[in-house]
Amino acid sequence: ETGVTQTPRHLVMGMTNKKSLKCEQHLGHNAMYWYKQSAKKPLELMFVYNFKEQTENNSVPSRFSPECPNSSHLFLHLHTLQPEDSALYLCASSQEGQPDYEQYFGPGTRLTVT
Amino acid sequence: QKEVEQDPGPLSVPEGAIVSLNCTYSNSAFQYFMWYRQYSRKGPELLMYTYSSGNKEDGRFTAQVDKSSKYISLFIRDSQPSDSATYLCAMRGTSGTYKYIFGTGTRLKVLA
Repeated sequence: ETGVTQTPRHLVMGMTNKKSLKCEQHLGHNAMYWYKQSAKKPLELMFVYNFKEQTENNSVPSRFSPECPNSSHLFLHLHTLQPEDSALYLCASSQEGQPDYEQYFGPGTRLTVT
Repeated sequence: QKEVEQDPGPLSVPEGAIVSLNCTYSNSAFQYFMWYRQYSRKGPELLMYTYSSGNKEDGRFTAQVDKSSKYISLFIRDSQPSDSATYLCAMRGTSGTYKYIFGTGTRLKVLA
């Protein structure tokens, strides 16, 4: 595996379900991110982890719960979601601490909440 | 006012045309400017990355930054149907921020 991988690629869940999204980066980076992408809207940053510590929580509802057990893996735990949470959820990683750093994205998980 | 403005398109051009994609921004602290390409149902892929003002060329792609006008551009020469995608601009400042600010993306269609 190379780059940033995400599983599952597609997920349909009911409003009462609990599910988790997984992200893994194979780039040796030390920072990981969750973004939400909805139609006709800019990418919305949800969470940032740097060296496994959460450094940003962008006013995300508590029904989204991130977990970063190490610098290569990132999870997004989902429970009691709403239909408006249907979107593409993107994971990204970067190497913080460099004067210029770039974010590399995974393919995303297409989430549909019914 | 949004921090980053980008025309959503769609922009349709014939194959071989020169394409110009643009973003304007309001925050003068932005120093790093990126262009991402996103194919349908895929994640964004980094295309071009520039620091401060000036031009950067990579094959058929040229990124241009005009900080005095707070305006960035991506030019695609000899456009191909395979260039059909959504192009996202992104930018950030320098001081300890992880936060990229993205445009909404411009959908480009190159017609064969």
